[in-house]
Amino acid sequence: ILNVEQSPQSLHVQEGDSTNFTCSFPSSNFYALHWYRWETAKSPEALFVMTLNGDEKKKGRISATLNTKEGYSYLYIKGSQPEDSATYLCASSYNNNDMRFGAGTRLTVKP
Amino acid sequence: NAGVTQTPKFQVLKTGQSMTLQCAQDMNHEYMSWYRQDPGMGLRLIHYSVGAGITDQGEVPNGYNVSRSTTEDFPLRLLSAAPSQTSVYFCASSSLPPSSYNEQFFGPGTRLTVL
Repeated sequence: ILNVEQSPQSLHVQEGDSTNFTCSFPSSNFYALHWYRWETAKSPEALFVMTLNGDEKKKGRISATLNTKEGYSYLYIKGSQPEDSATYLCASSYNNNDMRFGAGTRLTVKP
Repeated sequence: NAGVTQTPKFQVLKTGQSMTLQCAQDMNHEYMSWYRQDPGMGLRLIHYSVGAGITDQGEVPNGYNVSRSTTEDFPLRLLSAAPSQTSVYFCASSSLPPSSYNEQFFGPGTRLTVL
């Protein structure tokens, strides 16, 4: 069974705070780790795809790291803004075309 | 470029009824997949296709059928709907399978209720 776990389940921060959340995944036959941003009433949108141990990706104030040996990824948001409020999904893909999603971290940024 | 489109957006069925959820993409992507999203759970893969004429089962395939006669379309069929199939269904496509280093594009979702 491939379980992808995300923590925390939800998070409330003040505008300007920096925050981070965790995705843990089974590392056997791992191929890539995907982060998505999912706003209410919209479709998930891809943020990052990482595959190598030690990979780091950055897009504006959002960055992510990957540790394939221990099976975890962190997503960081620097200086959170109300428009960052969304559910952040991670998914791990495996060599057999399998892709497993976590339940997401729901972020609310208060003005 | 419409991306990934899904119809209908909402649907209510009675137990035992059948229906087809439509999914189409105009990006010439080989890989397409169907997910369901239930409260408190991650997206779960139902079926996927790596190209026209090729489909395979995902994590939760029971109660669903798919076919891929063209690159553009990937319909999901419920032959005899059950209340356990009440969910939000997302179709996704990508140029390569998710086991590759590339991103998936998701449709807007279909909210299905089975009474």
